[in-house]
Amino acid sequence: GENVEQHPSTLSVQEGDSAVIKCTYSDSASNYFPWYKQELGKGPQLIIDIRSNVGEKKDQRIAVTLNKTAKHFSLHITETQPEDSAVYFCAASTPNTDKLIFGTGTRLQVFP
Amino acid sequence: DTAVSQTPKYLVTQMGNDKSIKCEQNLGHDTMYWYKQDSKKFLKIMFSYNNKELIINETVPNRFSPKSPDKAHLNLHINSLELGDSAVYFCASSQLTGSNSPLHFGNGTRLTVT
Repeated sequence: GENVEQHPSTLSVQEGDSAVIKCTYSDSASNYFPWYKQELGKGPQLIIDIRSNVGEKKDQRIAVTLNKTAKHFSLHITETQPEDSAVYFCAASTPNTDKLIFGTGTRLQVFP
Repeated sequence: DTAVSQTPKYLVTQMGNDKSIKCEQNLGHDTMYWYKQDSKKFLKIMFSYNNKELIINETVPNRFSPKSPDKAHLNLHINSLELGDSAVYFCASSQLTGSNSPLHFGNGTRLTVT
């Protein structure tokens, strides 16, 4: 079945710096890759997603890149702010089983 | 105007008890889910329902029984609670069935079994 690996597990950056989180997946049939942000005491919230027919997508300070050949995708946050501090999850679709498989999460801390 | 709401937010109970968690979504979505998040933050799907019909049933002990009275509600009943059931349980919904549709999560129910 699909396996999604996510790195790093923790990431600390200074306010204003960039943060990059990387994920790899195993199922070549995967075609949808969302990213979720989970703040303390809340449920995961979708922040950006990408489908396999594009290689990059941007939304203000957030961007996601996808390399289908290498089966990896990354989240890029520029000009980080303290309110970006949260746990971030990547996920990959599994069309054969209709399940979304989540990575193990990255705890991002942005220090002022 | 909460999109996916679940109650209670916290649930503390003793081993052997039976408890229920309720979930409602007002997004008009067809599909609803239960996810379990363990102490290491790992998110794993438990069940999914599409318009009251069970679609996904992961390898979850049969002490866990979901019930969907209508497509806007998906409740989770847990019998004979065990220490290992302690976790945060998230309800979610999506517009379409399948893994390509964005999920909308509730804020979770933290279950503590003592």
